[in-house]
Amino acid sequence: GESVGLHLPTLSVQEGDNSIINCAYSNSASDYFIWYKQESGKGPQFIIDIRSNMDKRQGQRVTVLLNKTVKHLSLQIAATQPGDSAVYFCAESANDYKLSFGAGTTVTVRA
Amino acid sequence: DTEVTQTPKHLVMGMTNKKSLKCEQHMGHRAMYWYKQKAKKPPELMFVYSYEKLSINESVPSRFSPECPNSSLLNLHLHALQPEDSALYLCASSQSRNTIYFGEGSWLTVV
Repeated sequence: GESVGLHLPTLSVQEGDNSIINCAYSNSASDYFIWYKQESGKGPQFIIDIRSNMDKRQGQRVTVLLNKTVKHLSLQIAATQPGDSAVYFCAESANDYKLSFGAGTTVTVRA
Repeated sequence: DTEVTQTPKHLVMGMTNKKSLKCEQHMGHRAMYWYKQKAKKPPELMFVYSYEKLSINESVPSRFSPECPNSSLLNLHLHALQPEDSALYLCASSQSRNTIYFGEGSWLTVV
C-alpha cells in the first residue's frame, strides 16, 4: 500500500538537505491548496499553490505534491537554507472564500 | 514585501476603550479578509468582504465590527474587548478565490 506522511509539529533539517513537510486535509470538497511560510513576528507569506486537477507543481526550490486519494499534501524544499527556518502552514479551500489552515510545522535549519 | 499594509503594528487597549485596526491594499483585489492568530496557532478566519459587501462572518462576537469603506480599505473596529482577544490580527486580500496575500498583522494586547 501507499504510505502517508505524518504531520509533524517540528522538523529539524541540516543546511543543504532537502525538507519534506506533510499535511493531511479533511474536506473532500477542497479543490485549492496553498502553502504559506510564516517567520517570527510576520504575516504568512505565500509560497506555492495547487489546484485539485493537478498532483504536482514546482516553484523555485519548492515542490508541492497533492494526493487526493488519501487527502494528503506535501511541500518539498530543496537545499534547505537558514532563511527557510519558519513555521509552514498548509491551507485548503472548497470553492468559496474560506481558507482553512492546518496546524503548522516549525522548521529549524541546523548550520 | 507584502502589498497589504496594516496599521498600527502594535496596539494596547483597555477593556473599555474603542479602537480600530486599518488595512489597505492597492492590488485591485476584490476580496478582503480579517483573520485572528493566537500564539503558536494557525490563523482563523473572522470576516470576508467581497466587492465591498460582507459575505462571511464566522460567528465573531459583536465587539468586533468590520467595515469596508471602499475597495482598497478594510477596518476592524474594536470595543469592549476582553484580555483573551489579545492576538495577532491579520488582514488579507485576493483577486476572486485565488492566491490570498496577507499583511504583516497588528499585534493587539487587551489589558
